[in-house]
Amino acid sequence: DADVTQTPRNRITKTGKRIMLECSQTKGHDRMYWYRQDPGLGLRLIYYSFDVKDINKGEISDGYSVSRQAQAKFSLSLESAIPNQTALYFCATSDPTRSNEQFFGPGTRLTVL
Amino acid sequence: DQQVKQNSPSLSVQEGRISILNCDYTNSMFDYFLWYKKYPAEGPTFLISISSIKDKNEDGRFTVFLNKSAKHLSLHIVPSQPGDSAVYFCAATGSSNTGKLIFGQGTTLQVKP
Repeated sequence: DADVTQTPRNRITKTGKRIMLECSQTKGHDRMYWYRQDPGLGLRLIYYSFDVKDINKGEISDGYSVSRQAQAKFSLSLESAIPNQTALYFCATSDPTRSNEQFFGPGTRLTVL
Repeated sequence: DQQVKQNSPSLSVQEGRISILNCDYTNSMFDYFLWYKKYPAEGPTFLISISSIKDKNEDGRFTVFLNKSAKHLSLHIVPSQPGDSAVYFCAATGSSNTGKLIFGQGTTLQVKP
């Protein structure tokens, strides 16, 4: 069984719709992250959370919000999706003592029409 | 501004030969560097890392070299195997275990049998 799971794996939506991407982990890690990957740009950090009560903005948080419902769950929301949010989204987790060595989920491919 | 750059989008090598993937960075505050490997339809996986207090770190077939004066690091894979064919991302951080990674654009490595 995968340690970090993401749902959905693929999603097509329309401009203006609200979308939620979900991430669950069974690794017992306190730290969780959301990234997006765009061609030619690599991965960019959207939000990160060190525990349920500690949520921080990353490089590109505008247009996104997150919710840390439990240690194991971290959701990313697009309040009003726009086409330039079309990307591959990854959730990741890490142990607090080794935060740079992150464990990634399989990704969600989001297309905003 | 891209603080971490991988200027070669792709690299093709013959099985058994050496693969050398390069990465340049601009921020002198970066003090920890990592390489992640990504197969299609999967999330990135941590491969190897190096602290700025070292200039070399080796793990089996994988060696990372760091040249701080040139702000350059490289990943050597010897010998290359077809299973090494993947996208390789260089990442850097200057925030000492916060997990705030800055990724390069990635290099697609193809190892031909």
